[in-house]
Amino acid sequence: KQEVTQIPAALSVPEGENLVLNCSFTDSAIYNLQWFRQDPGKGLTSLLLIQSSQREQTSGRLNASLDKSSGRSTLYIAASQPGDSATYLCAVEGARGGSYIPTFGRGTSLIVHP
Amino acid sequence: DGGITQSPKYLFRKEGQNVTLSCEQNLNHDAMYWYRQDPGQGLRLIYYSQIVNDFQKGDIAEGYSVSREKKESFPLTVTSAQKNPTAFYLCASSMLELQGANEKLFFGSGTQLSVL
Repeated sequence: KQEVTQIPAALSVPEGENLVLNCSFTDSAIYNLQWFRQDPGKGLTSLLLIQSSQREQTSGRLNASLDKSSGRSTLYIAASQPGDSATYLCAVEGARGGSYIPTFGRGTSLIVHP
Repeated sequence: DGGITQSPKYLFRKEGQNVTLSCEQNLNHDAMYWYRQDPGQGLRLIYYSQIVNDFQKGDIAEGYSVSREKKESFPLTVTSAQKNPTAFYLCASSMLELQGANEKLFFGSGTQLSVL
């Protein structure tokens, strides 16, 4: 069974720092990996999706990399801002009983203070 | 606006009562999912459906039921058999690629269910 671990569980940093959030997974036979943002009491918003054949994806100040063979992905946030404060979750999609199903980590809770 | 809508935002259940959470999408997505989120926990899969009139159990289906009579709708019923229903419930949908894998997942804004 696929297991997804996110480190650290929580992070508090001053504004302007460059950040790295980590996601690891136990079964490397994945189809894709997504990073999401969740604000308190809200749903999830997809930030980046990396196909298994890709190494990285970029969107603005966000860059996500994928090393499928080692079962790892990192989300890099450049020049962090207070508005980046949220919980960040990763989800890996793998085959399961003939379907492709996303499996989520527990998330990294990020606070960026001014 | 296209999107995925969950209602109600807050729901209270009395002991022994069944309650139904609504999830509607107008994105023409094939697949729909129900997840449960407890504080400090990741999302756990309850049920999913990748085609109308068909659905599959996820990891924690006991005490829940679903239906998929229309492509745009995937309601979740929390039955009295679910002894610990207090949680945040999230519905998601996506298009499926030719191989059957999901494209980007879209989520609703969630329903917070509490027990009276």
